[in-house]
Amino acid sequence: IAGITQAPTSQILAAGRRMTLRCTQDMRHNAMYWYRQDLGLGLRLIHYSNTAGTTGKGEVPDGYSVSRANTDDFPLTLASAVPSQTSVYFCASGRSNTGELFFGEGSRLTVL
Amino acid sequence: GQNIDQPTEMTATEGAIVQINCTYQTSGFNGLFWYQQHAGEAPTFLSYNVLDGLEEKGRFSSFLSRSKGYSYLLLKELQMKDSASYLCAVRDSNYQLIWGAGTKLIIKP
Repeated sequence: IAGITQAPTSQILAAGRRMTLRCTQDMRHNAMYWYRQDLGLGLRLIHYSNTAGTTGKGEVPDGYSVSRANTDDFPLTLASAVPSQTSVYFCASGRSNTGELFFGEGSRLTVL
Repeated sequence: GQNIDQPTEMTATEGAIVQINCTYQTSGFNGLFWYQQHAGEAPTFLSYNVLDGLEEKGRFSSFLSRSKGYSYLLLKELQMKDSASYLCAVRDSNYQLIWGAGTKLIIKP
């Protein structure tokens, strides 16, 4: 059982380029989340999806978009990357009625 | 605004006990969570409190006082593998998790 998988694990990107971070879970969780983690700050929610076909904005959504075409996949797209989007990105999933989240291993993104 | 406060860093000795505190101010409360995160790895779930009191799980215990907006994570019989960051998170009235910045715990032999 893979759990929750993110790709790529690391990427260096030129400013202005488009980038999609992939996230797939096989636990049939209805809720999925994208967070960014920066040194000295708590995890900050970018976007979330409570169920397939629906998405919502988190605390820091600007510059990011998501889609949830099915239960398993929740890709995060940076339309035009900027250096301030340099961060570690975590995808997570969970059941809506519990708070326990299962995290992917993270994607370290550097925008130059 | 919403705020979760926890110490930035703590140091403890192998075999000892350490208490990591977390205070919170959030719009609503629907549970408090503790996660462990080893350097370079993903956070993993440790505990959940929604009612006042102590929840014990092996060497780890978590306490909650909703009236004080306060929780602590107690780690007993510390082992070197407990060196990690410990993240406190509160689920608010919208059922979203608000995260603290984490406490880096350093265990010394």
